[in-house]
Amino acid sequence: EVQLVESGGGLIQPGGSLRLSCAASGFTFSNYWMHWVRQAPGKGLVYVSRISSDGSSTNYADSVKGRFTISRDNAENTLYLQMNSLRVEDTAVYYCARALSNTLINWFDPWGQGTLVTVSS
Amino acid sequence: DIQMTQSPSSVSASVGDRVTITCRASQGINRWLAWYQQKPGIAPKLLIYTTSTLQSGVPSRFSGSGSGTDFTLTISSLQPEDFATYYCQQANSFPLTFGGGTKVEIK
Repeated sequence: EVQLVESGGGLIQPGGSLRLSCAASGFTFSNYWMHWVRQAPGKGLVYVSRISSDGSSTNYADSVKGRFTISRDNAENTLYLQMNSLRVEDTAVYYCARALSNTLINWFDPWGQGTLVTVSS
Repeated sequence: DIQMTQSPSSVSASVGDRVTITCRASQGINRWLAWYQQKPGIAPKLLIYTTSTLQSGVPSRFSGSGSGTDFTLTISSLQPEDFATYYCQQANSFPLTFGGGTKVEIK
């Protein structure tokens, strides 16, 4: 069974840092692009970042560029999101998602269950 | 960035009704559009990609159409498990963007 399990969320003060992890299983992780999408409480989905299957290419939404870093460890089947200089507006559930296929890289399926990041003083 | 506008923002419908949700892109996106379903407290689920391709396991009462800037998701006969929020997403250009969502509620 294909599974993605996020961890690392929690309560953090503005300006702080947090690293999210997404453990993948049930598929060949190194074959797929991976994505992060977030959802503020009661709000819609917002795209955050993506990384190529080998980790050589990354892209970010303008709202997180320069503050967040996406990375992956294909040997450990794990995706990461390093979040620095956190702001109140970064408060959200963060989902990792796999690309649908190794050619259909910008459709997301499946998704993890999400991890909540709360930025507050 | 390409803005995605969904309408309506919410719709009340009964089991068995035909429901249509519209998604409009601020510029042409060819057919690079997907639809996701999200239920409260649960991660989104991919329903349709590339405008009209049904993801594996998705019931055939769901269908998608459109091209360019205007797209629709149709549920031909609403079932109890379809009450949820639906999001469109464009993949024509980065940053990838979502619509604001359409909540399908029970009438």
